[in-house]
Amino acid sequence: KNEVEQSPQNLTAQEGEFITINCSYSVGISALHWLQQHPGGGIVSLFMLSSGKKKHGRLIATINIQEKHSSLHITASHPRDSAVYICAVSNSNYQLIWGAGTKLIIKP
Amino acid sequence: SQTIHQWPATLVQPVGSPLSLECTVEGTSNPNLYWYRQAAGRGLQLLFYSVGIGQISSEVPQNLSASRPQDRQFILSSKKLLLSDSGFYLCAWSEGDWRGYTFGSGTRLTVV
Repeated sequence: KNEVEQSPQNLTAQEGEFITINCSYSVGISALHWLQQHPGGGIVSLFMLSSGKKKHGRLIATINIQEKHSSLHITASHPRDSAVYICAVSNSNYQLIWGAGTKLIIKP
Repeated sequence: SQTIHQWPATLVQPVGSPLSLECTVEGTSNPNLYWYRQAAGRGLQLLFYSVGIGQISSEVPQNLSASRPQDRQFILSSKKLLLSDSGFYLCAWSEGDWRGYTFGSGTRLTVV
């Protein structure tokens, strides 16, 4: 079993829909990260969470430490949101353990 | 402001040839530096990390090596590339105090 599990693996939605991507982890963490990877390969860090909830524009990330679960939400989705979204957790050695990613396609 | 430079962006190398990928960071000192690889259809795998000059930790045994000759320079090398070394290589840095990670733009390596 992978230490970081993401679901779904693939998600296709229509523009405007509310998107949820889930992440569960089985190890002790210092922080959880949500990252975005575009087709060219570049990776952008979206959120770093250790508790609660963070919001940036149309993106919302939540984490439940007790349940070892995090969600990334996108409100009013747009085709430019199409990308691979990656959940990763960092341990006490500052290393990232990565989920497999969720490929999101938003159709106009 | 902090920036990270990684080059080259793409590279096609024959099997058995050497490799050198370079990553430099600006605007910070004593960063933690990382090399990751993403093979086709797979997630990111940590290859090496460094918490200081000359300090390299390897996560996965392979024919790759890393060096940190200067505080803000991280180099990924191989003496002889294998076909299985093909993939997308990412350099990243963090300040180690949970301010998050910054990633380079990546190098797409194809070994032929």
